[in-house]
Amino acid sequence: DTAVSQTPKYLVTQMGNDKSIKCEQNLGHDTMYWYKQDSKKFLKIMFSYNNKELIINETVPNRFSPKSPDKAHLNLHINSLELGDSAVYFCASSLMGTTHSGANVLTFGAGSRLTVL
Amino acid sequence: TQLLEQSPQFLSIQEGENLTVYCNSSSVFSSLQWYRQEPGEGPVLLVTVVTGGEVKKLKRLTFQFGDARKDSSLHITAAQPGDTGLYLCAGASTSYGKLTFGQGTILTVHP
Repeated sequence: DTAVSQTPKYLVTQMGNDKSIKCEQNLGHDTMYWYKQDSKKFLKIMFSYNNKELIINETVPNRFSPKSPDKAHLNLHINSLELGDSAVYFCASSLMGTTHSGANVLTFGAGSRLTVL
Repeated sequence: TQLLEQSPQFLSIQEGENLTVYCNSSSVFSSLQWYRQEPGEGPVLLVTVVTGGEVKKLKRLTFQFGDARKDSSLHITAAQPGDTGLYLCAGASTSYGKLTFGQGTILTVHP
């Protein structure tokens, strides 16, 4: 199946721990994203990579570090987890510049629900 | 910072009723997308509108982009329980096609 796959789907951990979420897409897209969805369902972009190059880096604590080993993978590592990091993290991908007026249509993964205790 | 105000935040209606969801901004977007998200899944694209004044129809769903490309609406006719979900509007800027999402509308259609 062609898709955006992210693991794990659920992650429960203690404050202060370090954790990673992995994402892979087999759609041939050149751009990948991490979004955070809070308890009120608001989706906020965190990072975006185009061909392994960081192009969007919103105001995110530097405890969050994305890594893109190739254009099909974008991982998110979080250090020293805090209670406020609890959320659903979505990976997404798109093909840059192929749609109208730069409107990149995103294909999302199913999300990774992080709970920090 | 571009902001998108989406309303209403919650909508609970009976099957067969019509409804409209609004997305407003003071900023101009190059295009606007509507997504639908079901529990435990990621958002899935419904439609993209690009031209000011554009209207697109997807079965019982009608999407409109404002003339000034600052606002959009989603109208559902004769809602069905299968329409239940979270509806998200997202405006695209010219900066790497970055999307700004609205707060979302949680729609519940009761049989």
